[in-house]
Amino acid sequence: DAKTTQPPSMDCAEGRAANLPCNHSTISGNEYVYWYRQIHSQGPQYIIHGLKNNETNEMASLIITEDRKSSTLILPHATLRDTAVYYCIVRVAGMLSGGGADGLTFGKGTHLIIQP
Amino acid sequence: DAGVTQSPTHLIKTRGQHVTLRCSPISGHKSVSWYQQVLGQGPQFIFQYYEKEERGRGNFPDRFSARQFPNYSSELNVNALLLGDSALYLCASSLTGGTGGGTEAFFGQGTRLTVV
Repeated sequence: DAKTTQPPSMDCAEGRAANLPCNHSTISGNEYVYWYRQIHSQGPQYIIHGLKNNETNEMASLIITEDRKSSTLILPHATLRDTAVYYCIVRVAGMLSGGGADGLTFGKGTHLIIQP
Repeated sequence: DAGVTQSPTHLIKTRGQHVTLRCSPISGHKSVSWYQQVLGQGPQFIFQYYEKEERGRGNFPDRFSARQFPNYSSELNVNALLLGDSALYLCASSLTGGTGGGTEAFFGQGTRLTVV
């Protein structure tokens, strides 16, 4: 899996949009971009994923640049409960020949702190 | 619907002992993965099981083993415990073993293992 680079920490004011960047300059054409977050002492929570088109769901939006070398996760109206470590992960598409896939490779992520 | 459930939630073991951790996936999910998270780090992939067979393995010693049962629940076994095995052990389930649509991993709350 390609490596990702994220800032170690970010602050955002409550009610504002939180924009979390991720660089994945060595991403391959068949690799997806996944975002997870982990609130203190809990298991990681899936947020969103995409291949090359922008994606939106009830939690967030994912903007992938045209060259796919970077992406931004957007939390449109951040709340205090969004304080967490956010992980950007790239992962090869499809299944291995025997079925299944390699696991998710988590880096250190971005610690997003929402300020009241 | 019940999410991924893990048991026990906390465990204290002595060096050299053996431990078994259990995971029940979300109903209908056929893939289970195990991760180890030491303090201050992101989760590290240990195993993936899909349709009761090992499909992926991370860089962990042979002291770590796992299996998946016909009902898709799973056990992680660790023999000859070391102090360095102290960590949060996370189980994740997904509908299939690949990537792309329908393959998001949903994590349990983890088992906190302390080796003394």
